[in-house]
Amino acid sequence: AQSVTQPDIHITVSEGASLELRCNYSYGATPYLFWYVQSPGQGLQLLLKYFSGDTLVQGIKGFEAEFKRSQSSFNLRKPSVHWSDAAEYFCAVGANYKLSFGAGTTVTVRA
Amino acid sequence: KAGVTQTPRYLIKTRGQQVTLSCSPISGHRSVSWYQQTPGQGLQFLFEYFSETQRNKGNFPGRFSGRQFSNSRSEMNVSTLELGDSALYLCASSPKPKGDLYGYTFGSGTRLTVV
Repeated sequence: AQSVTQPDIHITVSEGASLELRCNYSYGATPYLFWYVQSPGQGLQLLLKYFSGDTLVQGIKGFEAEFKRSQSSFNLRKPSVHWSDAAEYFCAVGANYKLSFGAGTTVTVRA
Repeated sequence: KAGVTQTPRYLIKTRGQQVTLSCSPISGHRSVSWYQQTPGQGLQFLFEYFSETQRNKGNFPGRFSGRQFSNSRSEMNVSTLELGDSALYLCASSPKPKGDLYGYTFGSGTRLTVV
């Protein structure tokens, strides 16, 4: 069965600083990986996805993620964080008509 | 283009009652999924439908059921509500048959509180 681990429950970052959120997956075949963001009281918004091809994936809002098969990782990065990036971020792996989500990482942005 | 619409947004029910939540996917999307989100368990998959057929079901008791109509709209029902059913219920739709590969668009959810 597929699973995702997000090691960091909470990250605080200064506005303008870089951000990296970690994601490790477990899946026997080629993984289909996603990053979603959730603002308080809202649903999930898809930031980016990977299913083949280039291991560096560009997404919306200036986010990118790098797929590393050798490390079973799919870390999300942003070079310069804005206050509006404060939210909860979820990594997910897709298989069998469902997404399996990690526990999420809450990002706080300080001025 | 309208997004995934879930109704109602908020709901308060009493233990033992039943509840029906509704989801209208984006026009043209035929794959619809449901997820439960709680602080303790996180995001958990409930079920997925495509062309009125349930293709996968999560590890939830039989009190949780769902269906999809011919216009792709979907409903989920929870009978004999328990306090632990309090959660945000999210509906998601995909334009592709394999939403697990393509990705889903999520609605804003229905916040269910059981008292």
